[in-house]
Amino acid sequence: ILNVEQSPQSLHVQEGDSTNFTCSFPSSNFYALHWYRWETAKSPEALFVMTLNGDEKKKGRISATLNTKEGYSYLYIKGSQPEDSATYLCAFRSNDYKLSFGAGTTVTVRA
Amino acid sequence: DTAVSQTPKYLVTQMGNDKSIKCEQNLGHDTMYWYKQDSKKFLKIMFSYNNKELIINETVPNRFSPKSPDKAHLNLHINSLELGDSAVYFCASSQDTWAGGYTFGSGTRLTVV
Repeated sequence: ILNVEQSPQSLHVQEGDSTNFTCSFPSSNFYALHWYRWETAKSPEALFVMTLNGDEKKKGRISATLNTKEGYSYLYIKGSQPEDSATYLCAFRSNDYKLSFGAGTTVTVRA
Repeated sequence: DTAVSQTPKYLVTQMGNDKSIKCEQNLGHDTMYWYKQDSKKFLKIMFSYNNKELIINETVPNRFSPKSPDKAHLNLHINSLELGDSAVYFCASSQDTWAGGYTFGSGTRLTVV
């Protein structure tokens, strides 16, 4: 099992504020980096799949960047809303196709 | 239309029993997976099948046996259930060439008493 670390473990943010958090992963045997959003009592839902160093992806107010050389990715939430409250998982896919998940960052947006 | 469906959603059973969890996907994906959510909420890969062939088999007790009758189905059979098998099990599927990531089922909460 590959070491995928996410920080912080949890964070609270005021509605309207922006926030970001990190995922670090091995910089060797890189195939792809995934981000998932996981709401309570639901299943993880894919946000982004990034494959190239320097990739930036955006979906609405959520965006992500990727640095494969140093082994990190950032997820940004701009103008947080209560519906953004969820656990955000990153997952590192090595070139043997295994997808290893981090423990997640749990975001709570206060109205 | 449910993309990845798992049954049952909840399963309570006694130690020593044998049980199965079924998973079906209607996305036309080539690869299916079983993940176990451990006590610290990590999702850990157990098995992966690509076009009915086993491609990933992590260190899982051999009481766990996956079966893929066709590429749309990946079932998980567990023999001689133990208390430590209690967890949430997630099925997922992906298309290797598809950039959309994995699609997960809603999970099966297994409780062994």
